[in-house]
Amino acid sequence: DTAVSQTPKYLVTQMGNDKSIKCEQNLGHDTMYWYKQDSKKFLKIMFSYNNKELIINETVPNRFSPKSPDKAHLNLHINSLELGDSAVYFCASSYTSAENGYTFGSGTRLTVV
Amino acid sequence: LAKTTQPISMDSYEGQEVNITCSHNNIATNDYITWYQQFPSQGPRFIIQGYKTKVTNEVASLFIPADRKSSTLSLPRVSLSDTAVYYCLVGDSNQAGTALIFGKGTTLSVSS
Repeated sequence: DTAVSQTPKYLVTQMGNDKSIKCEQNLGHDTMYWYKQDSKKFLKIMFSYNNKELIINETVPNRFSPKSPDKAHLNLHINSLELGDSAVYFCASSYTSAENGYTFGSGTRLTVV
Repeated sequence: LAKTTQPISMDSYEGQEVNITCSHNNIATNDYITWYQQFPSQGPRFIIQGYKTKVTNEVASLFIPADRKSSTLSLPRVSLSDTAVYYCLVGDSNQAGTALIFGKGTTLSVSS
């Protein structure tokens, strides 16, 4: 019954690998986001999609590519992983008007070794 | 998006009322003020949102003065489980895809 679910919860991988994180929301929201929280606990917006269309693309390396097959899903694919990509990645969703705020997933802890 | 300033940390004891004030001098006319709570190893959780005056729900109250350049999150009778990071954010909630920008937040530590 989870509102925003991310998989996997933990991901340990070697440098240079390609990995994907999946996100799904069952709240009927039309906007989805990816945030990155680094070791200093800063939460930074990476991408925002509204009705499957990319709205926000912050200064994120091209190695990161979001894909939204429908408005309930926003996946994040990362190519050629680097040590600095290690962080917790949060998916979130909201209505366009952001009434009642964002609903966040529980996060995916990515560790690149 | 308006920048916010809030204390880095606060300490309290169980049963006390905690007030966390956030400054947002450059808040725009269309901006709402939203507070989130984050526990370790979890995603932020929406607490409360307001535009002006006072908003209250089952978790907290939000006080916003007339000039809207600041806001205060009030947590009544905190418990140990309220130990978390609290984020104050401002943004235009009616703009499609506008993403909320998180600051450093306030780390609240509640002791017995």
